[in-house]
Amino acid sequence: GIQVEQSPPDLILQEGANSTLRCNFSDSVNNLQWFHQNPWGQLINLFYIPSGTKQNGRLSATTVATERYSSLYISSSQTTDSGVYFCAPGDGTASKLTFGTGTRLQVTL
Amino acid sequence: NAGVMQNPRHLVRRRGQEARLRCSPMKGHSHVYWYRQLPEEGLKFMVYLQKENIIDESGMPKERFSAEFPKEGPSILRIQQVVRGDSAAYFCASSKTSDNEQFFGPGTRLTVL
Repeated sequence: GIQVEQSPPDLILQEGANSTLRCNFSDSVNNLQWFHQNPWGQLINLFYIPSGTKQNGRLSATTVATERYSSLYISSSQTTDSGVYFCAPGDGTASKLTFGTGTRLQVTL
Repeated sequence: NAGVMQNPRHLVRRRGQEARLRCSPMKGHSHVYWYRQLPEEGLKFMVYLQKENIIDESGMPKERFSAEFPKEGPSILRIQQVVRGDSAAYFCASSKTSDNEQFFGPGTRLTVL
């Protein structure tokens, strides 16, 4: 199956700072999603982005399928951005998502 | 437009008992997926179902675990004779088609005493 690596594993930001989270995957994909798991454990859909670039408020994501990576950019971070960010590509031949180990983000005042 | 619903949200079982977890997909979605999240880990795929069919169960443990998605009613993940290692958060997701965006429910947190 697909191997997924996320970096960095942990990140501490001061409120207002910007950051880029990276996701590398080992095989072709037909689907890729980014999620935010908040401190209460809920999984929140951020982006469905098999290719290209999308923006939603302070967040944007880019997937370059031919180079097997995706990135999530967070601008002007807020304390409510704290939590774990997961990248989850979908297998090229199946529908299941393979989750990376996540980037744990803490935004401090 | 209600999202994916799961119940119960928290479930406590003693070793050897059975656990039944329920998932109602979003309206208009006929594809259901179950994932498990062990403490401090990412989510791992368990099973993918469409109405009345199991499409992919490659992530399901070989024993004690089963899943169904009947023609009427919610999808059920059943764990027989639970052990402490089954303690985890179990998430259900649904999608409109097989390669569409998956939307996740709030999860069921299973604790085995």
